[in-house]
Amino acid sequence: EIVLTQSPTTMAASPGEKVTLTCRASSSVSYMHWYQQRSGASPKLWIYETSKLASGVPNRFSGSGSGTSYSLTINSMETEDAATYYCQQGSSYPWTFGGGTKLELK
Amino acid sequence: QVTLKESGPGILQPSQTLSLTCSFSGFSLSTYGMCVGWIRQSSGKGLEWLANIWWNDDKYYNPSLKNRLTISKDTSNNQAFLKITNMDTADTATYYCARGNWFAYWGQGTLVTVSS
Repeated sequence: EIVLTQSPTTMAASPGEKVTLTCRASSSVSYMHWYQQRSGASPKLWIYETSKLASGVPNRFSGSGSGTSYSLTINSMETEDAATYYCQQGSSYPWTFGGGTKLELK
Repeated sequence: QVTLKESGPGILQPSQTLSLTCSFSGFSLSTYGMCVGWIRQSSGKGLEWLANIWWNDDKYYNPSLKNRLTISKDTSNNQAFLKITNMDTADTATYYCARGNWFAYWGQGTLVTVSS
């Protein structure tokens, strides 16, 4: 099983600040997907195949990475970006999710 | 427009079998490359992938639940199903179904509580 480790677990960012969330895999994966989840809501696909933005996702978001190291970057933090973000690999079964990064507004 | 909606018993007792239904629209599970998966989330915790079923009836399960899981589909009625045997209080969670190679569409989730 490929274990995904997200860091940090929790962080706070000010409006306008650049934010980078990381996801490290215990073995190499071909790509990474990211989901945003707000409290009480279902997860939403945010970034797929490492760097492709899902429909409706603002272009201040970007994704990058390869092998065992992936990241989600917010160019300039906005209020609405406060949420929990999960990475997920679908390269090999069992599919796995990271533990999540809770991003708060400072 | 793609939609998915989970339904389940809400509450059940330890050792019982959980039966979940995912009713969807806007796509067909008989379409080449299509997939529906089940994911759960315990209160305040992260996401756990449970199982996938593909258009060709290939099935994949999370080995951490050993042999407790069975996934199936009814293509004619646009539904997918998940059964979990021998439920325990630790299985209390919100259960989601979602579509795709990457889970682009999610249902609203159904809360399942296991309690005696």
